[in-house]
Amino acid sequence: DAKTTQPNSMESNEEEPVHLPCNHSTISGTDYIHWYRQLPSQGPEYVIHGLTSNVNNRMASLAIAEDRKSSTLILHRATLRDAAVYYCAITSGTYKYIFGTGTRLKVLA
Amino acid sequence: DGGITQSPKYLFRKEGQNVTLSCEQNLNHDAMYWYRQDPGQGLRLIYYSQIVNDFQKGDIAEGYSVSREKKESFPLTVTSAQQNPTAFYLCASSGQGRFSEQFFGPGTRLTVL
Repeated sequence: DAKTTQPNSMESNEEEPVHLPCNHSTISGTDYIHWYRQLPSQGPEYVIHGLTSNVNNRMASLAIAEDRKSSTLILHRATLRDAAVYYCAITSGTYKYIFGTGTRLKVLA
Repeated sequence: DGGITQSPKYLFRKEGQNVTLSCEQNLNHDAMYWYRQDPGQGLRLIYYSQIVNDFQKGDIAEGYSVSREKKESFPLTVTSAQQNPTAFYLCASSGQGRFSEQFFGPGTRLTVL
């Protein structure tokens, strides 16, 4: 199974961009890269996903390295409500998701 | 509203007892999952099911059992064989395909007394 590695924590100032990295060097060619975020005592919620090309949605952007061994979740303007634990996940096979240990994002006012 | 429900929100168990955590979804998803989360830790897969009457062990299945008799329901039983069951348990579901988004329930916090 693929494995993902993320920094334990990061800090950002409010209204500034945040780049959250994820390493997935053992990813296979058909595995998708997903990002989720989790607030305390809640279930994770979907943020974004991609395969090879960079992706944008209303919440964030996903930048995928050309060799697909790493990716970066970009929050363009961090707000206090973006403070959460962000998980990078790889789909291994059709249904199995491999989650990393997550990055705790602290947003400073 | 479509979504996933888990019950109860909090559960207390005495040592040696089996307990069952409920998970129901009305999203018409084929796949359902159970994860365990310990304080400050990530998500670890316990069991997952791709279709009714079929399920596979995840990374930490020992001491747990599941059933999938209906598409909407995927209950998890924490047995007395689970050595350290105190944790936050999350249920999720997804459609078909590697690109499918997982939808998570609100979680059940299990505490062993």
